[in-house]
Parts: sequence; C-alpha cells; structure tokens
Amino acid sequence: EAGVTQSPTHLIKTRGQQATLRCSPISGHTSVYWYQQALGLGLQFLLWYDEGEERNRGNFPPRFSGRQFPNYSSELNVNALELEDSALYLCASSFRGWGETQYFGPGTRLLVL
Amino acid sequence: GENVEQHPSTLSVQEGDSAVIKCTYSDSASNYFPWYKQELGKGPQLIIDIRSNVGEKKDQRIAVTLNKTAKHFSLHITETQPEDSAVYFCAASILNSGYALNFGKGTSLLVTP
Repeated sequence: EAGVTQSPTHLIKTRGQQATLRCSPISGHTSVYWYQQALGLGLQFLLWYDEGEERNRGNFPPRFSGRQFPNYSSELNVNALELEDSALYLCASSFRGWGETQYFGPGTRLLVL
Repeated sequence: GENVEQHPSTLSVQEGDSAVIKCTYSDSASNYFPWYKQELGKGPQLIIDIRSNVGEKKDQRIAVTLNKTAKHFSLHITETQPEDSAVYFCAASILNSGYALNFGKGTSLLVTP
C-alpha cells in the first residue's frame, strides 16, 4: 500500500513569491494535516482538512492557506514568502479526524532566498 | 494551549544499552500520546502510542509509560541497535477534539557500535 506522497521534494523561492506544495494521502484516508518543521522548532501544526473542509488551523498568518480536493489530496499555499518560511513542510493523513493515527509523508523542503 | 517538553535533546548510548526519553505535558485533558521516529531525509514514523486509560504499552523492544498524575510519559528502548539512531518526537493531544498534535522538540538518539 502506498504511503503519503508529497511533491515537490525540494522547492527554492525568493522572498515575496508564492509556493504551492502538494500532498496525496494514503488511499482511504479522508483527513490531511500540514505541519511546518523549522530548524530547532520541532513540528508546528499548520492546517487540518477533512472531507474537503478546513477543520482547524494552527497559529500561522493567513498567507498560509490550502485546500483539499474531492479525491482528498491537498495543496498548501504560502503567499508573500518570507525568509523564515524556510522549513520542511510535512503532510500527514489519517482515516478520520483527530483520534486516528497520523501517517506522515517525506516532506517538501522549502528554501526562501 | 498544550505545551510539551522533551528531554534530553541529545542522547548517545552504546549498542545493547537502553535509552529513555522523557516528556511532560501541561494540559491535564490530554489523553493521547504518540511517539514518532524520524530518520534523516524522511518524514516521522509512528512507532508506538498510548492512550490515557493505560499506564504502559510494549511492542518488542519499545515501551511507553504514562503517569497522568505527574503529567509525564516516557519512551524506553531496550537492546538498542545502530538502526535505532534517529530523532524521536513525543506528542500529546486530546482525542476527537479537533485539537492538534502538540510535539516536543525532539531527541537525537545516537547508538554507537
């Protein structure tokens, strides 16, 4: 069974640009979560999507947004990139919402110059 | 909000020895405590989790203990092997609440032959 996949693996942008990251959950999973893993800060919760709706978001500015498609895949968009947005962005999926085990993808490493 | 502290930040043990990683949490309502292992260049992988209705859970060489009164939980790895070398993260959350997984900052475990 295929795990959570993310693309691209690496992304280089300049300050002020927009970045789009993609995630495909495990087949049968309806919930997708996004986390930011910046150096020295651990994993910080960004967004949770379930059944196409945004269910919860972490303490991040509105320029971090996303969506979930009918096939449950998801996009994370980061607008007006700042240097401190450089991080590993991890996507996880679960069968249902909170309370179910979350399985992580390999991440997209975003570098903002 | 929930605050999870993890210690130590780095841990070096010899092959065959035991390793213990400890976490404390602040929200007494938290009732789900997963542990993830992250190898270099990969996303976090769930290795064991515990719910607050049990005090201990074992899976081969890995065990987790939970003390709800003291609000701390620990990961125990026995008979360590070089392939156990990785970064380990603890997390805490409230099941079915819509709240995020709150992660500790990680422990870098090095097992030397």
